[in-house]
Amino acid sequence: GENVEQHPSTLSVQEGDSAVIKCTYSDSASNYFPWYKQELGKRPQLIIDIRSNVGEKKDQRIAVTLNKTAKHFSLHITETQPEDSAVYFCAANRWGDMRFGAGTRLTVKP
Amino acid sequence: KAGVTQTPRYLIKTRGQQVTLSCSPISGHRSVSWYQQTPGQGLQFLFEYFSETQRNKGNFPGRFSGRQFSNSRSEMNVSTLELGDSALYLCASSSIQGAPDTEAFFGQGTRLTVV
Repeated sequence: GENVEQHPSTLSVQEGDSAVIKCTYSDSASNYFPWYKQELGKRPQLIIDIRSNVGEKKDQRIAVTLNKTAKHFSLHITETQPEDSAVYFCAANRWGDMRFGAGTRLTVKP
Repeated sequence: KAGVTQTPRYLIKTRGQQVTLSCSPISGHRSVSWYQQTPGQGLQFLFEYFSETQRNKGNFPGRFSGRQFSNSRSEMNVSTLELGDSALYLCASSSIQGAPDTEAFFGQGTRLTVV
């Protein structure tokens, strides 16, 4: 089955700096790659996603890049703010079989 | 529009018992997936149901089973509970049309504690 690896497991940045989280996947049949943010005690919520026919997608301060050949995708958050502090999960989806990375705990220091 | 609803929110069970968790998806969604979330293991995929059929399955033992009803509501059952089954169980619904590349919306989860 699909295996998703996510790095780093923890990330601490100063407010205003950028944060980058990287994921790799194993199944070349995966075609949808969402990113979820989970705040403490809350449910995961989608922040951005990318499909396999697209290399990059941006939404305000958040961007995702996908390299299908290398089977890796990354989340970029610019101008980080304290409210960006949360656990971020990447995922790879192959026809409804969605597997998650282990998560990255992002801390943004004011 | 109502979100994904999971019941109950909290459960305490004794080792060896069985438990049934329920998930009501967003109206119109036909795909329901189940995940086990633990601090050390992240979000582990259990299975996915689409139009009453199990379409995908993760790497969990046969003690974990599920089903989906004609109204897309889903239940998950765990038999012969073990201490290691203590976790937050999340369900997610998606896909009105059946396509897999659509946003999955999560419920608030059921916190299961096995003692």
